[in-house]
Amino acid sequence: DADVTQTPRNRITKTGKRIMLECSQTKGHDRMYWYRQDPGLGLRLIYYSFDVKDINKGEISDGYSVSRQAQAKFSLSLESAIPNQTALYFCATSDTGQTDTQYFGPGTRLTVL
Amino acid sequence: EDQVTQSPEALRLQEGESSSLNCSYTVSGLRGLFWYRQDPGKGPEFLFTLYSAGEEKEKERLKATLTKKESFLHITAPKPEDSATYLCAVSSGANSKLTFGKGITLSVRP
Repeated sequence: DADVTQTPRNRITKTGKRIMLECSQTKGHDRMYWYRQDPGLGLRLIYYSFDVKDINKGEISDGYSVSRQAQAKFSLSLESAIPNQTALYFCATSDTGQTDTQYFGPGTRLTVL
Repeated sequence: EDQVTQSPEALRLQEGESSSLNCSYTVSGLRGLFWYRQDPGKGPEFLFTLYSAGEEKEKERLKATLTKKESFLHITAPKPEDSATYLCAVSSGANSKLTFGKGITLSVRP
């Protein structure tokens, strides 16, 4: 079984709809991250959480919110989706310590019409 | 602000033709430099972490090296299955966030 899972894997929605993307991990890591990836722009950090009570904005948090329900679960919400939020979304985890190495989930392809 | 620049943007090689991918970085206090491989539509797969200038790591046909300003990912005798996008990232300071480059798309022809 994969260490980092994301649901759904693909989602097509309409402008104005509320969408939630979910991430679960079995690696036992404290730190979790949400990124989006767009062609030509690379991976950009949306939100990150270093533990259940710690949530931080990344470089592109506008239009998004997150919830850390447990050490193993980190959800990303789009309250009112817009077409320029069409992208690949990735969840990642890392362990507390000196390595900073992040491990990524398989991604969610989101299309907003 | 940390910056990562990868070059070239795309590289096409013949099978067996060795080459190198470049990652230049500007950070204040490097904690680590990371290489990932990403196949189309999939999540980045961790390859290497390098921590200090002079460090080298190898895995099969891949070898990563690090200087104070850049890192190279050397690919020796590549095969078509090495075709992918290779991402470089750095972490610095106290918060351990990663800053990614835009990636290098490698295509290896049989």
